[in-house]
Amino acid sequence: DGGITQSPKYLFRKEGQNVTLSCEQNLNHDAMYWYRQDPGQGLRLIYYSQIVNDFQKGDIAEGYSVSREKKESFPLTVTSAQKNPTAFYLCASSGQGRSGANVLTFGAGSRLTVL
Amino acid sequence: QQQVKQSPQSLIVQKGGISIINCAYENTAFDYFPWYQQFPGKGPALLIAIRPDVSEKKEGRFTISFNKSAKQFSLHIMDSQPGDSATYFCAAGWRDMRFGAGTRLTVKP
Repeated sequence: DGGITQSPKYLFRKEGQNVTLSCEQNLNHDAMYWYRQDPGQGLRLIYYSQIVNDFQKGDIAEGYSVSREKKESFPLTVTSAQKNPTAFYLCASSGQGRSGANVLTFGAGSRLTVL
Repeated sequence: QQQVKQSPQSLIVQKGGISIINCAYENTAFDYFPWYQQFPGKGPALLIAIRPDVSEKKEGRFTISFNKSAKQFSLHIMDSQPGDSATYFCAAGWRDMRFGAGTRLTVKP
């Protein structure tokens, strides 16, 4: 079954700690994305990567870091510099749909709570 | 600032009624306009999408209306069912999508 696997589903962190959220896809998609979801604010783009070993900042990249060493994997690190990290984090990948546009496929999400 | 503005924030509709959600965008470079449906605890899933070269697209009970000159597009759900109760997001872009704030739809039986 092709899809996107995010882990862990729930994560608790103490203030000052870095945490890494895992995202793996077996859809053979080139592009991968990280979004943050907060109530009433929709999905905000953190980072995206169009190809291995390359990635770009989205709208709210401060306090986050990513790597893209393999096509299948795009882990997100939430650093201690992120002021308000409690949120629901969504990973997505995209392949071209019939229209030629990038169609996003999302994982089930990881909920991070800072204690 | 939000590049895609979505309204209303929440919507309550009776079973069998029509649900209408509206979105507006600023960036004229946006070239693809999908709608996503999200159930609690799950990631969003693509529902229907439109390119700006057409003014309307219909798939079953779901229709997108697109007004390029006004930079607005909307989702219409006909014969709304309790199973349609979810959060709906509009999006716009091409390689990197920008999302609206979401609309929480509740369909009452």
